[in-house]
Amino acid sequence: QKEVEQNSGPLSVPEGAIASLNCTYSDRGSQSFFWYRQYSGKSPELIMFIYSNGDKEDGRFTAQLNKASQYVSLLIRDSQPSDSATYLCAVNFNTGGFKTIFGAGTRLFVKA
Amino acid sequence: NAGVMQNPRHLVRRRGQEARLRCSPMKGHSHVYWYRQLPEEGLKFMVYLQKENIIDESGMPKERFSAEFPKEGPSILRIQQVVRGDSAAYFCASSSPGTGSTKVQFFGPGTRLTVL
Repeated sequence: QKEVEQNSGPLSVPEGAIASLNCTYSDRGSQSFFWYRQYSGKSPELIMFIYSNGDKEDGRFTAQLNKASQYVSLLIRDSQPSDSATYLCAVNFNTGGFKTIFGAGTRLFVKA
Repeated sequence: NAGVMQNPRHLVRRRGQEARLRCSPMKGHSHVYWYRQLPEEGLKFMVYLQKENIIDESGMPKERFSAEFPKEGPSILRIQQVVRGDSAAYFCASSSPGTGSTKVQFFGPGTRLTVL
């Protein structure tokens, strides 16, 4: 069974610090990886996607992918209280229909 | 508004009634996905559709649930004879056409279903 695992948290960091969110997945055939942010009572909002091994940076966000270790992470630099949300890792599996499996999410609290 | 649209945003049904949830994909998108989210839980994949075609329904409960995406009009998720356990947020997402696992999904605002 294809799985995506995340630490449920909560992860608490002080304002201005780096928040590190981690995700592991079970299928070596996975091809694309996504990070979504979800505020309480709202819908998921895409932050970043990554396909290749290595780092991908977008503003304060950096996604890191290591396919050999089946591991993807999201770093948030200079964390702000407005970053407090649940972060969902999503993985597209090549099942013919490219079904997307979401992790359960990690709650992040950024303390002012 | 070029985003994914869902209606109604809130739906209240009594046990045994039917619930119909609608989703209009983002302009230019022809692929639709439905997810269910229980309180304090993650998103659970239900079904993936293209126009007039179900691609993957492996996450759909075997009974009472059905989905369609007709040639014209929105995608509809239908729940017959609702029970209290169906109370959840139902999210629709859409993506662009074409092949490849790199398709990015964009989410609608969701429909919050409450079964009394």
